[in-house]
Amino acid sequence: GQNIDQPTEMTATEGAIVQINCTYQTSGFNGLFWYQQHAGEAPTFLSYNVLDGLEEKGRFSSFLSRSKGYSYLLLKELQMKDSASYLCAALDSNYQLIWGAGTKLIIKP
Amino acid sequence: DGGITQSPKYLFRKEGQNVTLSCEQNLNHDAMYWYRQDPGQGLRLIYYSQIVNDFQKGDIAEGYSVSREKKESFPLTVTSAQKNPTAFYLCASSTGTGASPLHFGNGTRLTVT
Repeated sequence: GQNIDQPTEMTATEGAIVQINCTYQTSGFNGLFWYQQHAGEAPTFLSYNVLDGLEEKGRFSSFLSRSKGYSYLLLKELQMKDSASYLCAALDSNYQLIWGAGTKLIIKP
Repeated sequence: DGGITQSPKYLFRKEGQNVTLSCEQNLNHDAMYWYRQDPGQGLRLIYYSQIVNDFQKGDIAEGYSVSREKKESFPLTVTSAQKNPTAFYLCASSTGTGASPLHFGNGTRLTVT
């Protein structure tokens, strides 16, 4: 079956760094997305990786290892506004998205 | 500004009533999607449409219906046949090509009692 695993909840301190992991098992693979979702709001696109390696976008970076079926989202210089859920989603061979349940990130001052 | 609009934000219905959730986009996107989001679960695809006048069932289509008469609009009807309709419903759109990212509306929280 197809499956995405990510931690349910993480806590970090303002100004620190946090890494949110995601492992996936899909029928074929056409890339992995990360979305941010504040409570009661729309998910917003953060990143897309299809090749191995690290992609950096400001304070946020996303890493992919296709051989390990593993990705992470790295958030630096954490701000209170980064408190949100982070959704990992893999694109299978039919270009259908398989979604993780999301990781709720709590930032403490 | 282009975007995707869902209305209403909150909706309350009695059991046994059908209800229609609105979704409109002005991004000129070909593809539109309806997802359901429940606590502790990933987004689950209800229906999607890649072109006007055509749509396909997603993973949990039972008890739901859609139409795509215009490119901009993709309304979702939650029928009385849906056993567990209380949920947060998200509409999304994309260019529909390859790995294009989804643009989401702000969601409709439906409560059925």
